[in-house]
Amino acid sequence: EAQVTQNPRYLITVTGKKLTVTCSQNMNHEYMSWYRQDPGLGLRQIYYSMNVEVTDKGDVPEGYKVSRKEKRNFPLILESPSPNQTSLYFCASSLSFGTQILYEQYFGPGTRLTVT
Amino acid sequence: GQQLNQSPQSMFIQEGEDVSMNCTSSSIFNTWLWYKQEPGEGPVLLIALYKAGELTSNGRLTAQFGITRKDSFLNISASIPSDVGIYFCAGRRAGGTSYGKLTFGQGTILTVHP
Repeated sequence: EAQVTQNPRYLITVTGKKLTVTCSQNMNHEYMSWYRQDPGLGLRQIYYSMNVEVTDKGDVPEGYKVSRKEKRNFPLILESPSPNQTSLYFCASSLSFGTQILYEQYFGPGTRLTVT
Repeated sequence: GQQLNQSPQSMFIQEGEDVSMNCTSSSIFNTWLWYKQEPGEGPVLLIALYKAGELTSNGRLTAQFGITRKDSFLNISASIPSDVGIYFCAGRRAGGTSYGKLTFGQGTILTVHP
């Protein structure tokens, strides 16, 4: 089954304790992206990756890191989480051909993160 | 970062009514997208628009790419209870080389009363 998986689905942590949210897709998609969703703000793009070893900032990259060492995985790293990073996080992937992205993005189920 | 201005923020309608929502921006976009999100799920793409003036339908849904390239609207005709959810517009700004950068609207929460 074609899917995007995220782990963990729920996480409660404390300020400053490094964490990683994993994202994996089994569709051989080149393009992957991370978003955070907050009430009244919609989705905001954190980072995206056009292909392996190619990552770029979205609109809200501060406080986050990503890596794309393999095509299927795109982990989101919070080196020192803070309460303002409490949010619902989505990973997504889609096909792309060079700079042409097919926008039927497949979204993961979401990770609800609480930082106290 | 810049967000798209999506309106209305929420709508409460009766089953069978038509729905209209829109997105505007001060910047020019070369791609407009409309997504729907149901509770506990990630967004699902409904319609993608790639050219100014383009009008595209998907069943009861119709979306248009504004001529100015700064706006888009989504219409849902004859709404049914399963249309309930949050609808998001999204777009890719024209110019630059940030091909993968997408901007989303704040979302429109749709409630349909049977």
